[in-house]
Amino acid sequence: DAGITQSPRHKVTETGTPVTLRCHQTENHRYMYWYRQDPGHGLRLIHYSYGVKDTDKGEVSDGYSVSRSKTEDFLLTLESATSSQTSVYFCAIRGSGLGTYEQYFGPGTRLTVT
Amino acid sequence: AQRVTQPEKLLSVFKGAPVELKCNYSYSGSPELFWYVQYSRQRLQLLLRHISRESIKGFTADLNKGETSFHLKKPFAQEEDSAMYYCALSNNAGNMLTFGGGTRLMVKP
Repeated sequence: DAGITQSPRHKVTETGTPVTLRCHQTENHRYMYWYRQDPGHGLRLIHYSYGVKDTDKGEVSDGYSVSRSKTEDFLLTLESATSSQTSVYFCAIRGSGLGTYEQYFGPGTRLTVT
Repeated sequence: AQRVTQPEKLLSVFKGAPVELKCNYSYSGSPELFWYVQYSRQRLQLLLRHISRESIKGFTADLNKGETSFHLKKPFAQEEDSAMYYCALSNNAGNMLTFGGGTRLMVKP
């Protein structure tokens, strides 16, 4: 599992509240990613990080922010949750090694916004 | 812009039948392609990478640059192959993957 954990694993929250999801890795990988998974859309990239305090937007970044103050932790914040953000959120890391492009995923967080 | 298309949302076959999950891509660079599998309510797992030309759990995939395809094949499906399958394409820098919409494979007894 590449040493990736996510917390919480399940969360129900109300519209308009802020929510923070945490991704933690134990293997010192440089690249970390946040995706959302929705039926028919596959996985879509929200934000990614290429180092401490270095982040960039993905395909569906509106309404989300991220922070990475330590190599091992990558936080995803929904500033004011909406029902359209009900989804399963996956964190991933990029494998290490020359020419390694594949990513390895965490167990996911199921978020419901009511 | 890079794009990955998996034209079938659902593929249903009987145990022992051959399986082919389709993946087409568009990309102007040299593609690095992957197949991921997700069993029910679990994390995505890397199944195959085209550069390795490996066979995992009996699955193979061949990159066809002329047809811009990377179809996943297995000669004899097993019930435990039932899962969601995602095709993914890396950009040249290797820092981003683009995923297809996924195909749910159901293998019936």
